[in-house]
Amino acid sequence: DGGITQSPKYLFRKEGQNVTLSCEQNLNHDAMYWYRQDPGQGLRLIYYSQIVNDFQKGDIAEGYSVSREKKESFPLTVTSAQKNPTAFYLCASRDRDRNQPQHFGDGTRLSIL
Amino acid sequence: QKEVEQNSGPLSVPEGAIASLNCTYSDRVSQSFFWYRQYSGKSPELIMSIYSNGDKEDGRFTAQLNKASQYVSLLIRDSQPSDSATYLCAVNMGGGSQGNLIFGKGTKLSVKP
Repeated sequence: DGGITQSPKYLFRKEGQNVTLSCEQNLNHDAMYWYRQDPGQGLRLIYYSQIVNDFQKGDIAEGYSVSREKKESFPLTVTSAQKNPTAFYLCASRDRDRNQPQHFGDGTRLSIL
Repeated sequence: QKEVEQNSGPLSVPEGAIASLNCTYSDRVSQSFFWYRQYSGKSPELIMSIYSNGDKEDGRFTAQLNKASQYVSLLIRDSQPSDSATYLCAVNMGGGSQGNLIFGKGTKLSVKP
């Protein structure tokens, strides 16, 4: 089955710790995105990548880092510099045509211990 | 600042009624428009795409686009309790947006049996 897989579903972070959220897609999509969603809020763009080995900051990139070494994979690291990391993190991907919609994985819920 | 505006709701309709969800956007050059449904605790799911002025129907859902008024809406006919969710409007602003979507904060719909 084609789709976007995010793991883990739930993640807990200790003070001063970096954590990495996984996002893998087998849709052969070129573009991949990371969003953060807080309760009652819309989606806010953290980072995006249009092609392998290239990525750009979104609206709230501070405290986060990404890599795009393979077309299928776009992991997000939440660093200790992100002081308020508790949120629902969503990964999305899109076909090469920029007018096509984005499709989402099931999300990772990150909490602070 | 490019924006997508939605009434946050909650919008409450009785079962079997028509639910009407509205969205306005700020950028006249916007090219593609999407409606996503998000159940509580879940990720957004694409339900409609619309690219040109007029109506587009898919089952009980109709998307309506008016580019002159910068307005897009979603009608849900014969609303069911299972339609209770938050509906997100997303707009591809075109131009230099690189295909990125701007999301509204969503309208929460409640369908009462």
